[in-house]
Amino acid sequence: GENVEQHPSTLSVQEGDSAVIKCTYSDSASNYFPWYKQELGKRPQLIIDIRSNVGGKKDQRIAVTLNKTAKHFSLHITETQPEDSAVYFCAANAGGTSYGKLTFGQGTILTVHP
Amino acid sequence: GAGVSQSPSNKVTEKGKDVELRCDPISGHTALYWYRQRLGQGLEFLIYFQGNSAPDKSGLPSDRFSAERTGESVSTLTIQRTQQEDSAVYLCASSLRQTIDTEAFFGQGTRLTVV
Repeated sequence: GENVEQHPSTLSVQEGDSAVIKCTYSDSASNYFPWYKQELGKRPQLIIDIRSNVGGKKDQRIAVTLNKTAKHFSLHITETQPEDSAVYFCAANAGGTSYGKLTFGQGTILTVHP
Repeated sequence: GAGVSQSPSNKVTEKGKDVELRCDPISGHTALYWYRQRLGQGLEFLIYFQGNSAPDKSGLPSDRFSAERTGESVSTLTIQRTQQEDSAVYLCASSLRQTIDTEAFFGQGTRLTVV
């Protein structure tokens, strides 16, 4: 089945700096790669996603890149703000008999210091 | 209600008792997931229902855990003979199982405490 590895597990930055979180996946049939943000005590919520037919996508201060050859994708947050502090999860969908099933990475705790 | 709804929000149970957690997915969503999240940890996959296909139960940690789903509606996760290590937040998510748009929407979770 799909295996998603996420790094780093924790990331601490100063306000205004950039933050980058990286994920790798194993299933070459994966074609959908969402990123979720989970604030303390709340449910995970989608912040951005990317599909396999594009190499990158940007939405204001966040961007994602995808390298299908290397099977890795990354989340980039620019001009970080304290409210960006949260746990971020990457995910990839599966092919085969569990088509569409999302497998999540282990999460990255991002702390933005004012 | 347009979102995924879970009940109860909190459940405290004694070790050895059975518990049943409920998930109401978004109407029309054919795929439904259950995840377990221990304090400060990641999303541990438990089970995936995909329309009328056989569910993917590969994440269930033991035979004390089971889940059912009636058609494309409500799902229940049952934990028998609960143990303290079962204490966690149990999250349900649903999605449209189309060819590519498989965004998963999460419920607010059920916080289970086994004492």
